[in-house]
Amino acid sequence: DAKTTQPPSMDCAEGRAANLPCNHSTISGNEYVYWYRQIHSQGPQYIIHGLKNNETNEMASLIITEDRKSSTLILPHATLRDTAVYYCIVRAGDNAGNMLTFGGGTRLMVKP
Amino acid sequence: GAVVSQHPSRVICKSGTSVKIECRSLDFQATTMFWYRQFPKQSLMLMATSNEGSKATYEQGVEKDKFLINHASLTLSTLTVTSAHPEDSSFYICSARDAAIYNSPLHFGNGTRLTVT
Repeated sequence: DAKTTQPPSMDCAEGRAANLPCNHSTISGNEYVYWYRQIHSQGPQYIIHGLKNNETNEMASLIITEDRKSSTLILPHATLRDTAVYYCIVRAGDNAGNMLTFGGGTRLMVKP
Repeated sequence: GAVVSQHPSRVICKSGTSVKIECRSLDFQATTMFWYRQFPKQSLMLMATSNEGSKATYEQGVEKDKFLINHASLTLSTLTVTSAHPEDSSFYICSARDAAIYNSPLHFGNGTRLTVT
């Protein structure tokens, strides 16, 4: 699976948009970009995933560049409860045996 | 959405005893489940892949005789930490996906914090 690079930490003001970047310059054509977050002492929570088109759900938006070498997770109106470690993971498509390999993630601190 | 339930959420045991952790997929069937371990201030590390009806696959450095995995049904996988020692104290997390849905994401349990005294 392609390796990803994320900034180790970021701050965001409450109510503002949080934009979390991820580089995955060696991504392959059949690999998806997944985003998870982990709030302290809990299991990771799935947020969103995409292949090449931008995606949006009730939690966030995922913007993938045209060359697919990077992406940005957008939390449109961050709240204090969004404080967590956010993981960007690249993984090949549908296969029950495909696990997720976690890197260091970005520790997002939402401040009042 | 898909829910993965893990039990217990927290366990304290004495050194030398064994501890069993259960992972259940509540509203879907999972032919494969994954067990992760997370030490303080570190990321999740895959320990093993649990396959329904067959032997688990362990990552390099993970002792299969120490971490026994049983995946006897399509909704339940168990991890037993045998002869636990203080260095086994960690946060254990399982995950699974609904293989019946194309490219469905992995969902995680809420983890089990194991403390070995």
